[in-house]
Amino acid sequence: DAGVTQSPTHLIKTRGQQVTLRCSPKSGHDTVSWYQQALGQGPQFIFQYYEEEERQRGNFPDRFSGHQFPNYSSELNVNALLLGDSALYLCASSFRSGASTDTQYFGPGTRLTVL
Amino acid sequence: AQKVTQAQTEISVVEKEDVTLDCVYETRDTTYYLFWYKQPPSGELVFLIRRNSFDEQNEISGRYSWNFQKSTSSFNFTITASQVVDSAVYFCALSDNNAGNMLTFGGGTRLMVKP
Repeated sequence: DAGVTQSPTHLIKTRGQQVTLRCSPKSGHDTVSWYQQALGQGPQFIFQYYEEEERQRGNFPDRFSGHQFPNYSSELNVNALLLGDSALYLCASSFRSGASTDTQYFGPGTRLTVL
Repeated sequence: AQKVTQAQTEISVVEKEDVTLDCVYETRDTTYYLFWYKQPPSGELVFLIRRNSFDEQNEISGRYSWNFQKSTSSFNFTITASQVVDSAVYFCALSDNNAGNMLTFGGGTRLMVKP
């Protein structure tokens, strides 16, 4: 049973560039959430996708956008990169059963460095 | 608004010692869920436990145990007879009805188990 996968593992960009991160959910899951984890801090919620729509959003600017595909995989796009965007980006998947909170299972993350 | 506080930023123990990681949460909702995740150096968040607000029974899983006390808004995690492989950063997280499926994480506790 494949877990959550993310690509790429590491990425180095320069300020002002754009980046796309990818996530494939765990088998049987239909919901994907994205989190940003700065060094030495807990993860911060960016947004969540279900049925190809953004359902919830955390306190992140519009430079952060996403997409969910019919096969439930997801992309996170960040435009106009800033040095402060350097972080570990974590994808989590879950099955939306109608309950308010389903257990989220995380991928290994993508380490983004902005120079 | 929901908040999770992990006051212990770093704990160091010697192998075979017992250790307790503290977690205090804040929420105005009566229905909420609490989680613990482990983050080893590889970076992936590993799910350990999920608890809903209506179930205050303590839980034990092997060397791990959790103590949930609504009266003090705490959800503490104890590792008995710690091992070097337990070295990691541990995160407590909360989700309530207002937050939907969004997880709010504490700042994490880095546990170092020395041989």
